[in-house]
Amino acid sequence: GENVEQHPSTLSVQEGDSAVIKCTYSDSASNYFPWYKQELGKGPQLIIDIRSNVGEKKDQRIAVTLNKTAKHFSLHITETQPEDSAVYFCAASLGQNAGNMLTFGGGTRLMVKP
Amino acid sequence: NAGVMQNPRHLVRRRGQEARLRCSPMKGHSHVYWYRQLPEEGLKFMVYLQKENIIDESGMPKERFSAEFPKEGPSILRIQQVVRGDSAAYFCASSPQQGTEAFFGQGTRLTVV
Repeated sequence: GENVEQHPSTLSVQEGDSAVIKCTYSDSASNYFPWYKQELGKGPQLIIDIRSNVGEKKDQRIAVTLNKTAKHFSLHITETQPEDSAVYFCAASLGQNAGNMLTFGGGTRLMVKP
Repeated sequence: NAGVMQNPRHLVRRRGQEARLRCSPMKGHSHVYWYRQLPEEGLKFMVYLQKENIIDESGMPKERFSAEFPKEGPSILRIQQVVRGDSAAYFCASSPQQGTEAFFGQGTRLTVV
C-alpha cells in the first residue's frame, strides 16, 4: 500500500520568513495530494491540493509543488504569520476512481515566532 | 452550509463498554470516511462508506469495530468492548459524489479509563 513520509517533524521560523515542508510517497499511481492544517483540538482543514497533471499550484501565501518522477511534493508558506502556527499534514490518494482514501504523512508542527 | 458534524466531541468509556461515534456529512455529500488519530501521529484510514454500503474497510481492526451509513441518519462508528488502546481522536470526513476533496469534522476524542 501507499506510504507517505513527511519532514521535518517540527519547524520553527521567525515571523515573515518562509516555511517549507516536504513529503515523499511510494505508490506511483497516486494522483491527488492535499495538504491539511490542524489546530489544537480541531479537525484537519484542507488548505491546498494538487493533482498529478499539475506541477505547481499557488493560493496567496501558500504554494504546493509536485515532482512525479521523484515522487515528492512540498508545501511552501511565504511571509509566515503567528496564526500559521499549527500541525500540517500532507496526504496522497489514488483519487476518485479508487475511493479517494487518504494516506497521511506523520505531520509537521510549525511554530512561527513573533 | 454546515460542515461535517461529529458528536459527541468528547467521550469517556470504561474498559469493556461500547462507544458509538456519530457523523453527519456535509449536505449533498454521499461519501463518508473514518480516520483514527493517535496522539502525536498522523491520521490513519479506517473505513469508507456510501449510503447503505461499506466500500472499503481495509483499515478497520478485524474485531470489535464496525461502521454503518444508513439510508437515513448519520454514519455510526461502533467500538465494542473498548480497551485503553482505543483511546484516540476519531475523525469523519465527507466528499461529494463527483469531487475528491474531503472535508473533516472536528472529531470525537475517545478516552478509555
